[in-house]
Amino acid sequence: DAKTTQPTSMDCAEGRAANLPCNHSTISGNEYVYWYRQIHSQGPQYIIHGLKNNETNEMASLIITEDRKSSTLILPHATLRDTAVYYCIVRVVFTGGGNKLTFGTGTQLKVEL
Amino acid sequence: GAGVSQSPRYKVAKRGQDVALRCDPISGHVSLFWYQQALGQGPEFLTYFQNEAQLDKSGLPSDRFFAERPEGSVSTLKIQRTQQEDSAVYLCASSPLEGEAFFGQGTRLTVV
Repeated sequence: DAKTTQPTSMDCAEGRAANLPCNHSTISGNEYVYWYRQIHSQGPQYIIHGLKNNETNEMASLIITEDRKSSTLILPHATLRDTAVYYCIVRVVFTGGGNKLTFGTGTQLKVEL
Repeated sequence: GAGVSQSPRYKVAKRGQDVALRCDPISGHVSLFWYQQALGQGPEFLTYFQNEAQLDKSGLPSDRFFAERPEGSVSTLKIQRTQQEDSAVYLCASSPLEGEAFFGQGTRLTVV
């Protein structure tokens, strides 16, 4: 799986949009971009994933550049409960299961009043 | 329950002691994963089950680590002769055969 590069930490004011960048310059054509987050003392939580088109769900939006070498996770209106470590993961998705995740060290997002 | 349940939540073991960590996956989930998370690091893959079959154990750090899922539901991760470097949070995740993984809260193991 391709490696990713994320900033170690970011701050965001509550109510503002949080934009978390991820570089994955060696991504292959069949690799997806996934985002998970981990709130303190909890297990990781799936947020969103995409291949090449931008995606949006009830939690966040994912913007992937045209060359697919980087992406941005957007939390449109951050709240204190969004304070967590955010992991960007790129991986091939095989049919038939067994799609393990390779986590890096992620970005610690701190949402403040 | 609705989610992945792990027990115990916390475990303190003396060095050399054997421990067993339990994972109750979401009912009907075919896939089950174990991860190890050291302090300040992201989770690292240990092993994968598809029903009762252990299809990937490439992440197990030594032969002191053993996992089983005999009836394709509950899984147990066993660590024999624990060492201080085994101190970590052990996370279990389950998923449908093709779908996103749901994680438990983890078991924090401290070896003293």
